[in-house]
Amino acid sequence: NAGVTQTPKFRILKIGQSMTLQCTQDMNHNYMYWYRQDPGMGLKLIYYSVGAGITDKGEVPNGYNVSRSTTEDFPLRLELAAPSQTSVYFCASWDRGRTSYTGELFFGEGSRLTVL
Amino acid sequence: SQKIEQNSEALNIQEGKTATLTCNYTNYSPAYLQWYRQDPGRGPVFLLLIRENEKEKRKERLKVTFDTTFKQSLFHITASQPADSATYLCHMTGNQFYFGTGTSLTVIP
Repeated sequence: NAGVTQTPKFRILKIGQSMTLQCTQDMNHNYMYWYRQDPGMGLKLIYYSVGAGITDKGEVPNGYNVSRSTTEDFPLRLELAAPSQTSVYFCASWDRGRTSYTGELFFGEGSRLTVL
Repeated sequence: SQKIEQNSEALNIQEGKTATLTCNYTNYSPAYLQWYRQDPGRGPVFLLLIRENEKEKRKERLKVTFDTTFKQSLFHITASQPADSATYLCHMTGNQFYFGTGTSLTVIP
C-alpha cells in the first residue's frame, strides 16, 4: 500500500515552460487535493476533486489546471511557468465516504519546483 | 476574509515540559479542526481531529481543545521529547479548507 505518490520530487523549469506534476493514490479515496507551500507560509489549496470527472478551484488556482479522469490519478498542469510558481507542491487524498470520519488527509512527499 | 493564525514565532521548550501551540481563526465557523505534524522535506501527517461540538480530545501525550466562543484551538504535547521537534499545522474544514501557517517546535534535551 503506497498511499499517495507524487512525481517528480524535484524539477527546475525555465520561465514559460510547461509541465505536469503527477499524483496517484491507491487507497480508493474519492477526494483529492493539490496544495502549494511557500517558505514560512501555510498550505494553500490550488484545486481539489470530489471524484472522477469533477474538479473545482481552491484558493490559488491561477496558472494551474487539473483533470481527474480516474479515481487514482489527479495530475496538476502548470502552463507558462513563472517564478511565482516556485514552491513545494503537495498532493493529498481523503476518504469522505467512511462513516467513522476522522478527517484525515493523506499527503504525498511533495514535489519541489523551481522556476528560473 | 477567512483567516487562521498560529503562534508566529518558533517555540523552544525544555524536554519533559508541556508544549502549547495556539490556532486562532476569524470570519469562519469550521465544522472540524485537525492538527498535523510536518517534518522538514516531508508531507504533513495527521495527528488529531476535533469536532465543533467537542471541547477536548486526547491521544496519548497529545491533547487538543476547541473553543468556538473564542475561536481558538490549543494543541498540547505533554512530557515533550526531542523527537517531537517539528512544525505543527492546524487545519480547518467547513465548506472550505484552510491551513494555518504552522508553528515550529524545538524540544531541547
